[in-house]
Amino acid sequence: DGGITQSPKYLFRKEGQNVTLSCEQNLNHDAMYWYRQDPGQGLRLIYYSQIVNDFQKGDIAEGYSVSREKKESFPLTVTSAQKNPTAFYLCASSSGTGPRETQYFGPGTRLLVL
Amino acid sequence: AQSVAQPEDQVNVAEGNPLTVKCTYSVSGNPYLFWYVQYPNRGLQFLLKYITGDNLVKGSYGFEAEFNKSQTSFHLKKPSALVSDSALYFCAVRDQRSNDYKLSFGAGTTVTVRA
Repeated sequence: DGGITQSPKYLFRKEGQNVTLSCEQNLNHDAMYWYRQDPGQGLRLIYYSQIVNDFQKGDIAEGYSVSREKKESFPLTVTSAQKNPTAFYLCASSSGTGPRETQYFGPGTRLLVL
Repeated sequence: AQSVAQPEDQVNVAEGNPLTVKCTYSVSGNPYLFWYVQYPNRGLQFLLKYITGDNLVKGSYGFEAEFNKSQTSFHLKKPSALVSDSALYFCAVRDQRSNDYKLSFGAGTTVTVRA
């Protein structure tokens, strides 16, 4: 997990509420990613960013939003439009210097709905 | 399009026995292949990757994986399993011709090593 921090470890969301998950990396990586993990479904890509001030939708972007104002930070907002937000959320980063780079993961945030 | 299949949801072995976790992939071009391990309520830890060259890749914690192009497989192996190897294992693939750094993950295989 070293070099990538996610907070909080657990997050509770009320109906209709937007919540923001934090992801910070000190690896000087260009690329950052957000995944959602549900039991038995592996990891699904929500959003990714290859460079500051730019990001692209992944496979399940609906109900989520991101920003990339700084190289080391890539926060994810789970909006009220996401009707089934309960999941384990993983942030990752990679050097982005070529197609063979490895993605390294943070420790994750578990989001629960009250 | 790129995808990964892990045909076994669970693998159970006795400590000291060989461990194999299966992975098959599908890509348009040639693949980059990765294995990760996840312990409960933790992030994924990188184990090893195949880029090119030698088909046998050695990684962390005594794990290795064999790339087989004809069978489009990248099975993870450990000669002698430990109880501490009990975890969730993910295989991932990326098409070498892709330029968006996206990885496709399998659904995961839960490994249980009994003492």
